[in-house]
Amino acid sequence: GAGVSQSPRYKVTKRGQDVALRCDPISGHVSLYWYRQALGQGPEFLTYFNYEAQQDKSGLPNDRFSAERPEGSISTLTIQRTEQRDSAMYRCASSFGGNTEAFFGQGTRLTVV
Amino acid sequence: KQEVTQIPAALSVPEGENLVLNCSFTDSAIYNLQWFRQDPGKGLTSLLLIQSSQREQTSGRLNASLDKSSGRSTLYIAASQPGDSATYLCAVRGNTGGFKTIFGAGTRLFVKA
Repeated sequence: GAGVSQSPRYKVTKRGQDVALRCDPISGHVSLYWYRQALGQGPEFLTYFNYEAQQDKSGLPNDRFSAERPEGSISTLTIQRTEQRDSAMYRCASSFGGNTEAFFGQGTRLTVV
Repeated sequence: KQEVTQIPAALSVPEGENLVLNCSFTDSAIYNLQWFRQDPGKGLTSLLLIQSSQREQTSGRLNASLDKSSGRSTLYIAASQPGDSATYLCAVRGNTGGFKTIFGAGTRLFVKA
């Protein structure tokens, strides 16, 4: 696609529910990153994929968070048993390789009520 | 642990002024440094990417420099315009310990017409 596409743009969910956030990277981009951004802060790294391989998941806050990229293209970030503290903007970025410019999607605003 | 600091947190200048935004990082073992622009409610737009072996990058009115040994980068904006008003974020990717990219909290710039 022309840019990184994330869906949904907005998600409101009740505490305890599971949510799945989707990222469709720029076509041909090998590297894919997930970030979480709180208001007034810079993005916080969550995880990184090289093709379908999750090469760094050191930023995932706990085991309720998981991500996959089964075919090396679209990625899904899943949060199980959501809590209010999970409310944030979740951003996805992609790049040709690990050392090239990263391009960000518009993000998914998650609100847990 | 890499920490990225951006100073000032906010800046207001009259149109036409040249300005410098600062970014400092604590671990000089970096792969690259990237400057982004973020408009309210929008995604991040990549401005410049500097590889660890480079000293500076230029794009139009923007010039970014990198001094790895002192852990500093600056973003110079020439002849500022009201359209430059945004939050500017600096992001550092380390070359050890995975693929984390650490962001600063950003500098909020307001250019007055």
